[in-house]
Amino acid sequence: DAKTTQPPSMDCAEGRAANLPCNHSTISGNEYVYWYRQIHSQGPQYIIHGLKNNETNEMASLIITEDRKSSTLILPHATLRDTAVYYCIVRGYNAGNMLTFGGGTRLMVKP
Amino acid sequence: DGGITQSPKYLFRKEGQNVTLSCEQNLNHDAMYWYRQDPGQGLRLIYYSQIVNDFQKGDIAEGYSVSREKKESFPLTVTSAQKNPTAFYLCASSGSGNSYEQYFGPGTRLTVT
Repeated sequence: DAKTTQPPSMDCAEGRAANLPCNHSTISGNEYVYWYRQIHSQGPQYIIHGLKNNETNEMASLIITEDRKSSTLILPHATLRDTAVYYCIVRGYNAGNMLTFGGGTRLMVKP
Repeated sequence: DGGITQSPKYLFRKEGQNVTLSCEQNLNHDAMYWYRQDPGQGLRLIYYSQIVNDFQKGDIAEGYSVSREKKESFPLTVTSAQKNPTAFYLCASSGSGNSYEQYFGPGTRLTVT
């Protein structure tokens, strides 16, 4: 699976959009981009995933660049409860549903 | 409510003792997973099972054992051979197929002294 690079930490003001970047320059054609988040001392929570088109659900939007070498997770109106570690994961279609978690981005939403 | 349960939330053991962590799911998922998380680190895969009575080693299986006798249960035993067992242990499950997301339990924090 392709490796990902994320900033170790970010701050965001409450009510503003949080844009979390992820680089995956070695991604191959059949690899999906997944985003999970982990609130302190809890299990990770699935947020969204995509292959090449932009995706949106009730939690977030995922923007994948045309060359697929990077993506951005957007939380449109961040709240204090969105404070968490956000993991960007690239997983191959035939990887048996394995997920490889890196260090993630620690997002701090401030009032 | 459908979901994954792990018990207990906190577990304390003396060095040299084996300990078994429970993981149960009522989501009718075929696949189940065990991860380990150390402070400030990401998750690392210990074992996984795609189907009942079958399981495979993950990246850090040494010192651990599992069984999958029932679809809904995937217990993890931390043996005395595991050199640094103190960690946060997370269980997950997913449906069949390659695009299904994993659902995680609340975790068990194991402390061995």
